[in-house]
Amino acid sequence: GENVEQHPSTLSVQEGDSAVIKCTYSDSASNYFPWYKQELGKRPQLIIDIRSNVGEKKDQRIAVTLNKTAKHFSLHITETQPEDSAVYFCAAENTGFQKLVFGTGTRLLVSP
Amino acid sequence: EAQVTQNPRYLITVTGKKLTVTCSQNMNHEYMSWYRQDPGLGLRQIYYSMNVEVTDKGDVPEGYKVSRKEKRNFPLILESPSPNQTSLYFCASSFLGLAGGQSYNEQFFGPGTRLTVL
Repeated sequence: GENVEQHPSTLSVQEGDSAVIKCTYSDSASNYFPWYKQELGKRPQLIIDIRSNVGEKKDQRIAVTLNKTAKHFSLHITETQPEDSAVYFCAAENTGFQKLVFGTGTRLLVSP
Repeated sequence: EAQVTQNPRYLITVTGKKLTVTCSQNMNHEYMSWYRQDPGLGLRQIYYSMNVEVTDKGDVPEGYKVSRKEKRNFPLILESPSPNQTSLYFCASSFLGLAGGQSYNEQFFGPGTRLTVL
């Protein structure tokens, strides 16, 4: 089955810096890669996703890149703000099987 | 308002006392899942359902049961809870969408149920 590894487990940055979170997956059949943000005490919410026919996707300060050959994908947050502080989860799925596998999460702390 | 609801939100119980956590969604989604979240382990899928009366095991199904008698409801049952089932539980619903020739599956999570088994 699919296995998703996520690094780093914690990341501390200064406000305005960039943050990068990396994930690798094992199943080459996976074709959907979402990222979820979970603020303290709240539910995970989708912030961006990328599909296997796209190499990069950007939404304002957030971007995701996908390297299918190497089986890794990354989340990039530019100009970080304190409200970006949260736990971020990557995930991978073969949508034919409807089974989403999550990484272990990255706790991002943005200091003012 | 489109949403996924779970009840109860908090529960403290004792070993062996059967309990049910309810989950309901009003978005007419076909797919529903249960996850548990533990520190350092992320979100792990317990069970999922692709439609009414269709359920299957996720990665950590031991000690849990589910049922899907109606499209909107997907209860999680712990027949004999044990302390290692102390966790934060999330229900989620989703649909399989299609965009740009590729499918995607956005999960909508409930608010979570924090369960403590003494």
